[in-house]
Amino acid sequence: EPEVTQTPSHQVTQMGQEVILRCVPISNHLYFYWYRQILGQKVEFLVSFYNNEISEKSEIFDDQFSVERPDGSNFTLKIRSTKLEDSAMYFCADSLRKGGDYGYTFGSGTRLTVV
Amino acid sequence: QKEVEQDPGPLSVPEGAIVSLNCTYSNSAFQYFMWYRQYSRKGPELLMYTYSSGNKEDGRFTAQVDKSSKYISLFIRDSQPSDSATYLCAMRGQNDMRFGAGTRLTVKP
Repeated sequence: EPEVTQTPSHQVTQMGQEVILRCVPISNHLYFYWYRQILGQKVEFLVSFYNNEISEKSEIFDDQFSVERPDGSNFTLKIRSTKLEDSAMYFCADSLRKGGDYGYTFGSGTRLTVV
Repeated sequence: QKEVEQDPGPLSVPEGAIVSLNCTYSNSAFQYFMWYRQYSRKGPELLMYTYSSGNKEDGRFTAQVDKSSKYISLFIRDSQPSDSATYLCAMRGQNDMRFGAGTRLTVKP
């Protein structure tokens, strides 16, 4: 069964450092999303991406965040200067249609720990 | 008022019990309703997808949507220990999906 692959599974970084979280979506899916989940809290929407541009972003997705699809297959989330409160699980998701008419396919997540 | 409200539990039931999980929402624009299951340290996995009001059944799972009350439910019949997970409701209108807080379910053998 096709799956969304995320790397690394766990990343530890020092406060103020830049991190790049990577995702390989399912090959024929066109809509991509990043969500995060702080430990014990709800899954929160960060950003959606289609046709090489951001479709929608939440208030969490401020200037320290950016996304890109550098090579047509990978989909990355960059956090420029990490803060302690950025520690969370980050999930990449994709869908065949806008908004995911049949739901999104999620990756297993990257656990980001900022120390 | 939060867009999507879900009782986080935890909920503990004996094996074989019927489980009822619920969410309420405030945004009338929501049209698509989903239930995801999330095991510890894993990504959410789609369980059920429904559009508009009514019931949808898939094996031991039944999803129910009442748009007039802005209320959705997931029923699990003959619950198994392997059903132990966090269950997330999710919904969307024209824009992107929003999740409930998730209900942690434990099914005890």
